[in-house]
Amino acid sequence: QSVLTQPPSVSEAPGQRVAISCSGSSSNIGNSVVHWYQQLPGRPPKLLIYYDDLLASGVSDRFSGSKSGTSASLAISGLQSDDEADYYCATWDDRLHGPVFGGGTKLTVL
Amino acid sequence: QVTLRESGPALVKPAQTLTLTCSVSGFSLITNGMCVSWIRQPPGKALEWLALIDWDDDKYYNRSLTTRLTIFRDTSKNLVVLTMTNMDPVDTATYYCARAPSRDNNFDYWGQGLLVTVSS
Repeated sequence: QSVLTQPPSVSEAPGQRVAISCSGSSSNIGNSVVHWYQQLPGRPPKLLIYYDDLLASGVSDRFSGSKSGTSASLAISGLQSDDEADYYCATWDDRLHGPVFGGGTKLTVL
Repeated sequence: QVTLRESGPALVKPAQTLTLTCSVSGFSLITNGMCVSWIRQPPGKALEWLALIDWDDDKYYNRSLTTRLTIFRDTSKNLVVLTMTNMDPVDTATYYCARAPSRDNNFDYWGQGLLVTVSS
């Protein structure tokens, strides 16, 4: 069970906008930067957003990140079928003294 | 061009020790800020960070697995090695090595992963 809580799944229609939440605590999100990864089936994770809201190189600006207090969010606008994937948030945890990942969210584009 | 490539056995028996090697190219393990981590993912499950070695040869371990893990590097060969003792079927997973250019652990490059199955 991860220290970062994500919804197991979200779904939305093509062209719409979806947000994926990541909830933590003062020992992790509240005190460190958050990164977001996309994992397509059978592929390694790919960095999408780093340092809370910076777009990784080559990533579409349809992706955006934000953070407030002990929660972070990944938003995807103009949904496409190619966006169907698992999405993970990650940060450093001071108590565990290491990086931690969320449980992952499976995005379905209806 | 930055690349990481995992190698090691695809199958290990329970109680055996797993040794995984990450061969890196396109960057230096001793560049200030550079970190290499091992991360695993059981089939159908979430990512789990295992261990990290930084540019200064400092090492960090997942606290729930620390007694079983050892990470070290060979800078002359551009290798990062992870050993995990006393393997169990629950350790069956895809094992990734990944690079982070800072201690903030934004993993910007990943290996393709190596599926390791623990079975007798």
